[in-house]
Amino acid sequence: GAGVSQSPRYKVAKRGQDVALRCDPISGHVSLFWYQQALGQGPEFLTYFQNEAQLDKSGLPSDRFFAERPEGSVSTLKIQRTQQEDSAVYLCASRSRKNEQYFGPGTRLTVT
Amino acid sequence: GESVGLHLPTLSVQEGDNSIINCAYSNSASDYFIWYKQESGKGPQFIIDIRSNMDKRQGQRVTVLLNKTVKHLSLQIAATQPGDSAVYFCAEGAGGGNKLTFGTGTQLKVEL
Repeated sequence: GAGVSQSPRYKVAKRGQDVALRCDPISGHVSLFWYQQALGQGPEFLTYFQNEAQLDKSGLPSDRFFAERPEGSVSTLKIQRTQQEDSAVYLCASRSRKNEQYFGPGTRLTVT
Repeated sequence: GESVGLHLPTLSVQEGDNSIINCAYSNSASDYFIWYKQESGKGPQFIIDIRSNMDKRQGQRVTVLLNKTVKHLSLQIAATQPGDSAVYFCAEGAGGGNKLTFGTGTQLKVEL
């Protein structure tokens, strides 16, 4: 069956530009997560949705980061006024009823 | 967890040997633990999980051991194959696993 999909897979942005990263979770998965993964490190939690409700956004590094999931399915992570330190892989995961988090392939963001 | 930047701990094993990857976790309140495999350019792939009321769980060719006394987790891979070459991360969650905290990855290299 279809897994978690993310688009674009690669994004190059000039410093100061806004970007929007999309996540399509596994159909029927209620919970959706965003993580940030720097090169050579493990993913770090950004935010969590249950249906359309954003229940935890404690990991968002600044107010330039914003996530939404208006209809409880597709989610978008938006980064405003990108900076070089935002360069990373952004991973989306959705969770099954067995509590297993399944990850998408990620979007590699490079800010120049 | 400790950050090792670009220099991940590496475990090299011969094809057919057993591999043991270790992880120390930090949060005594964690009650859910997962091992993920991440290949280059892909998102983390779920391997096996264990809850804190267990100390051992077996899957296909993999076994996870949990020692809560010393906050230690290990992943054993039997008869390691070239396809097992990847970075392996442990992750911990508390209170239902909504937010996963990932440990430092270990690069597993399988030599023919």
